[in-house]
Amino acid sequence: NAGVTQTPKFQVLKTGQSMTLQCAQDMNHNSMYWYRQDPGMGLRLIYYSASEGTTDKGEVPNGYNVSRLNKREFSLRLESAAPSQTSVYFCAADRDGNSPLHFGNGTRLTVT
Amino acid sequence: GESVGLHLPTLSVQEGDNSIINCAYSNSASDYFIWYKQESGKGPQFIIDIRSNMDKRQGQRVTVLLNKTVKHLSLQIAATQPGDSAVYFCAETLYNFNKFYFGSGTKLNVKP
Repeated sequence: NAGVTQTPKFQVLKTGQSMTLQCAQDMNHNSMYWYRQDPGMGLRLIYYSASEGTTDKGEVPNGYNVSRLNKREFSLRLESAAPSQTSVYFCAADRDGNSPLHFGNGTRLTVT
Repeated sequence: GESVGLHLPTLSVQEGDNSIINCAYSNSASDYFIWYKQESGKGPQFIIDIRSNMDKRQGQRVTVLLNKTVKHLSLQIAATQPGDSAVYFCAETLYNFNKFYFGSGTKLNVKP
């Protein structure tokens, strides 16, 4: 039982490149989330998916897109990376939107 | 290494002492609160939660206190151990709202 798994763990991109961050959960949870964490700051919500087939914007959605591929998987796409998107990205899942979040170990992204 | 923790408030305690970490939350309508622990290079890990119909909840070595009058949350750790060294975040949300808002965190440093 791995919980929430994120790939890749590390990534370096050049400005303008695109990439997709992958997230999968094996807890059969309904809700999934993408957060970003910058130095000295708490986590900020980028997008979330309350249930399979739905996605909604969080606090900082600009420059990102998401896909809830199925109940297990929720991906985050950067279409044209910018240095301001250098951050640590965390995927999380919870049972129903009002229970504790279970986090993956993050993807550390650097955009040069 | 992990850049989380830069410019964060830091609490230094002696091993065996009790620790108190404070959090001021922002939304008076928030009714569900969670404390997370984040170790370097890892995702946040659930510690304890509390709903707004309670003012105190105890776990193993941890207690969360909620004061809705002044929008204040605290985490008490009894007999602090070196393994408790980490960054601690509080998070708030409205029940069934799917959006957790995180504080900026406090770094706990336990001295042997």
